[in-house]
Amino acid sequence: KAGVTQTPRYLIKTRGQQVTLSCSPISGHRSVSWYQQTPGQGLQFLFEYFSETQRNKGNFPGRFSGRQFSNSRSEMNVSTLELGDSALYLCASSPYRDSPYEQYFGPGTRLTVT
Amino acid sequence: KQEVTQIPAALSVPEGENLVLNCSFTDSAIYNLQWFRQDPGKGLTSLLLIQSSQREQTSGRLNASLDKSSGRSTLYIAASQPGDSATYLCAVRSRTQTGANNLFFGTGTRLTVIP
Repeated sequence: KAGVTQTPRYLIKTRGQQVTLSCSPISGHRSVSWYQQTPGQGLQFLFEYFSETQRNKGNFPGRFSGRQFSNSRSEMNVSTLELGDSALYLCASSPYRDSPYEQYFGPGTRLTVT
Repeated sequence: KQEVTQIPAALSVPEGENLVLNCSFTDSAIYNLQWFRQDPGKGLTSLLLIQSSQREQTSGRLNASLDKSSGRSTLYIAASQPGDSATYLCAVRSRTQTGANNLFFGTGTRLTVIP
């Protein structure tokens, strides 16, 4: 089975712009979660989608949003980019939502905001 | 709020040594605990998952233990190799104050195995 894929792998944007990141989960997985990783804050949970519905959200401003499509692929959008949004954005998928499940991570998208 | 701590933050050992990485968490009401490995600039690779009802899991040279009551987990790596050099992250899945089910990460231990 192919693993979790994320596109693009690297991205450079300017302050004030917006960006969309994409994640394709492992085939058959219906839950997709997004995380932000920075040197200062470590790994922080952004949100989780299951069956096209946002089921869980971390403590991030409304500039961060996402969605999930019927094929379980997910996109994450950040509007009005700030320098502090520079980070590695990781996507993880798992087969179930409510049972104690294992998460599988993608390689991440490295976003640099200048 | 669940807080996960990993000690030490960095560790260097000569090749062949056995080593232990530590993880502690503040809220013992967890669903599971997962150990990950992260190579520089890369995503996370799942190493071991321990359900809340389990005490340990083993995979090859890796053994992870869980003591839920004391809020601790250890990752034991036997006969370390240079290829084991990476950052090791511990994460616990537990309920948030809003009742949601989240994965809380530690800040990691950066391991260097010296040939």
